[in-house]
Amino acid sequence: DAGVIQSPRHEVTEMGQEVTLRCKPISGHNSLFWYRQTMMRGLELLIYFNNNVPIDDSGMPEDRFSAKMPNASFSTLKIQPSEPRDSAVYFCASSLGEWVSSYEQYFGPGTRLTVT
Amino acid sequence: AQSVTQLGSHVSVSEGALVLLRCNYSSSVPPYLFWYVQYPNQGLQLLLKYTSAATLVKGINGFEAEFKKSETSFHLTKPSAHMSDAAEYFCAVSGSARQLTFGSGTQLTVLP
Repeated sequence: DAGVIQSPRHEVTEMGQEVTLRCKPISGHNSLFWYRQTMMRGLELLIYFNNNVPIDDSGMPEDRFSAKMPNASFSTLKIQPSEPRDSAVYFCASSLGEWVSSYEQYFGPGTRLTVT
Repeated sequence: AQSVTQLGSHVSVSEGALVLLRCNYSSSVPPYLFWYVQYPNQGLQLLLKYTSAATLVKGINGFEAEFKKSETSFHLTKPSAHMSDAAEYFCAVSGSARQLTFGSGTQLTVLP
């Protein structure tokens, strides 16, 4: 299996622009997680889906952020409009189930976003 | 609520020396505890996890960790460091068993 695939790997954009990050989970995995990693806040969960349905989006910082999972093999994280403080590495992870005690989360390589 | 504190943002050891990375947790319910490793420009990879079975947990690449409830600790150890162990290590806790809360990470440097 190719693992979790994220695109793009690097994104540089100007403040105010729309940014879309993409994730393809491992085939057969039912749960998908979006994380953000920054020096200041570390690694934090933004949102997760189970069977394509958003279960918990309490980590989404504000209305500028939105995430969708239209089918089992694709998810997007969109930022509109982007701001310099959104600069971070965004990870997507997938697992066979939402219970971390039972199912390992497999992380993608991340998208490094820079907003100037 | 759950949280973890990793003591030491940077740890350096000589090749062949003992690796000890410290993690203390706080949890209002019996916790599940995890160690992840992140190599440069890669995502996180699970090293090992504690889910209320044996308190001494063995993981991949020769790492192990011991759950000590009385000390609220879950320190990661490896008897002999290899150059390939150089990476960032994250401790994580879950109380609900659905979400992970990560520590701030410890960068391990292995000196030749």
